[in-house]
Amino acid sequence: DQQVKQNSPSLSVQEGRISILNCDYTNSMFDYFLWYKKYPAEGPTFLISISSIKDKNEDGRFTVFLNKSAKHLSLHIVPSQPGDSAVYFCAARRAGNMLTFGGGTRLMVKP
Amino acid sequence: NAGVTQTPKFRVLKTGQSMTLLCAQDMNHEYMYWYRQDPGMGLRLIHYSVGEGTTAKGEVPDGYNVSRLKKQNFLLGLESAAPSQTSVYFCASSYTRAREYEKLFFGSGTQLSVL
Repeated sequence: DQQVKQNSPSLSVQEGRISILNCDYTNSMFDYFLWYKKYPAEGPTFLISISSIKDKNEDGRFTVFLNKSAKHLSLHIVPSQPGDSAVYFCAARRAGNMLTFGGGTRLMVKP
Repeated sequence: NAGVTQTPKFRVLKTGQSMTLLCAQDMNHEYMYWYRQDPGMGLRLIHYSVGEGTTAKGEVPDGYNVSRLKKQNFLLGLESAAPSQTSVYFCASSYTRAREYEKLFFGSGTQLSVL
């Protein structure tokens, strides 16, 4: 039973527009959430994170929103650039435990 | 600065063969991990280590063994490979400071095919 789900396997967006990647989780004990980005033939790299005590965290073009009541988080990329084309994984952590990853969403930003 | 280095990058095995995947990190990280990535399944934790000489099971440990004899190295072994172990394997490491150990640093992966 996947505790962290990314229901959209892929997303296509026009350059300059907003990309919204979604992630749902089932375990209310998760207290820290992260997004990782992965290019082909490379390992994932950390992108942005958010603690459960916050509902928003921003880093440049990337913003993560957390809705604890809905057990939902989203990653917004504004404006989207072709170099953002990659697979994005969300991950969640319960205190004292290791990260649980979602299945990933492939983002394609078209020029 | 090499970061996390995995060898080999590609390997093809026959069912029943054994092999060892090597992982080395030069960031003096305490924690090290082995994940496998399968389509639609995301990254699943196989085994991890919180320090030299220690190992622990993750989400999908069956069929794998690990060793952490030196702080900088984490080895993943397959004693008798099965087609279900065809996957991309990633090694990762992290700090232990509060709120830092979730930020994993990954290697570039090993593509393993078991025929």
